[in-house]
Amino acid sequence: DVKVTQSSRYLVKRTGEKVFLECVQDMDHENMFWYRQDPGLGLRLIYFSYDVKMKEKGDIPEGYSVSREKKERFSLILESASTNQTSMYLCASRKQGSTNEKLFFGSGTQLSVL
Amino acid sequence: GNSVTQMEGPVTLSEEAFLTINCTYTATGYPSLFWYVQYPGEGLQLLLKATKADDKGSNKGFEATYRKETTSFHLEKGSVQVSDSAVYFCALYNQGGKLIFGQGTELSVKP
Repeated sequence: DVKVTQSSRYLVKRTGEKVFLECVQDMDHENMFWYRQDPGLGLRLIYFSYDVKMKEKGDIPEGYSVSREKKERFSLILESASTNQTSMYLCASRKQGSTNEKLFFGSGTQLSVL
Repeated sequence: GNSVTQMEGPVTLSEEAFLTINCTYTATGYPSLFWYVQYPGEGLQLLLKATKADDKGSNKGFEATYRKETTSFHLEKGSVQVSDSAVYFCALYNQGGKLIFGQGTELSVKP
């Protein structure tokens, strides 16, 4: 079975901390995505990566950065966490060249910033 | 720009009731349209899709028809089950390579 694994299901951090959210996929997919999910707002794209060491800003990149040093791993970094970054974060991946219905999602990380 | 609007939830139904979740979109060109489902504690899964006008996507008893004239892609099911309780997301694929989601509609089905 294909798998997108997010390292933590729940995470609690303090304002100002540096936070790393990790995502690993075992499908040899080129493309990886980070979304945040908030009630009433749906899913909003933060960053995506077409391949190793490549990254593109999504719709709401402010306050975030990403790292893609290896094909299977895509990390989301909050340089200095703030309370408005409390959210559910979803990672997704897809094979290069596939249309978007081939997007595979992880189970999400619920981040609370206090 | 491109956007997707869904009816607000939560929607609460009794088992075997008829379900409609409305979805309308704004887009340039001819987007592909999708419904994703998120069961409790899980990530999103593709439920169905339609890639051109008048196409009907269907899966697990759910259906949605791509209506270009009304820019809609409403999700329907004739008889819901408790196991259909989940959050449903309408989405469109724009030519920039991004999937744009609606705000999600929570469905709760009571026995």
